[in-house]
Amino acid sequence: RKEVEQDPGPFNVPEGATVAFNCTYSNSASQSFFWYRQDCRKEPKLLMSVYSSGNEDGRFTAQLNRASQYISLLIRDSKLSDSATYLCVVNLSPGYSSASKIIFGSGTRLSIRP
Amino acid sequence: SAVISQKPSRDICQRGTSLTIQCQVDSQVTMMFWYRQQPGQSLTLIATANQGSEATYESGFVIDKFPISRPNLTFSTLTVSNMSPEDSSIYLCSVEVLPEEKLFFGSGTQLSVL
Repeated sequence: RKEVEQDPGPFNVPEGATVAFNCTYSNSASQSFFWYRQDCRKEPKLLMSVYSSGNEDGRFTAQLNRASQYISLLIRDSKLSDSATYLCVVNLSPGYSSASKIIFGSGTRLSIRP
Repeated sequence: SAVISQKPSRDICQRGTSLTIQCQVDSQVTMMFWYRQQPGQSLTLIATANQGSEATYESGFVIDKFPISRPNLTFSTLTVSNMSPEDSSIYLCSVEVLPEEKLFFGSGTQLSVL
């Protein structure tokens, strides 16, 4: 079983739709969680951190379920510019460690159509 | 946050030659990472570069093939040695910013080996 698993997609949804991705992780010692966005032929960029209480940033909502070991990303009122690959990232480091272990999911491709 | 300047952005190299990729960060960081990303795939960690000590390599990557330098807290290089077509990929450097453990990436080096 992969340490971090994502549905590769592609998700093809119309503009304005709401879309959600899930990501599961296998190591219960995972400490911190993030969603990154990667555009074609570009580097990944941090979209948002994921906190235990859930957090929202504009149209984006991230949630963490430690009991079931998954995180989710919800995008409301999707825009054409949201088309990208979304990477789930899990950090096994307890923080301030000299050996951070950061695991990337394989990414979920999202395509927004007009 | 951190701003990373990575160069070259792309190169086309002959089999058997070596290429050195440089990353310069605008602030001092403890942890720097080197990743490889094959087309359509997620990121694979090559090694962690620590200032003042040898890099720590992941399984499947060795120092003779991917020597890394980390002379100070703002700079690192990765060399891809004795290249073959199988080394064609995007190489990315990354830094971890504490305490949030967020990753920031250079813009990547697209390497093609003929």
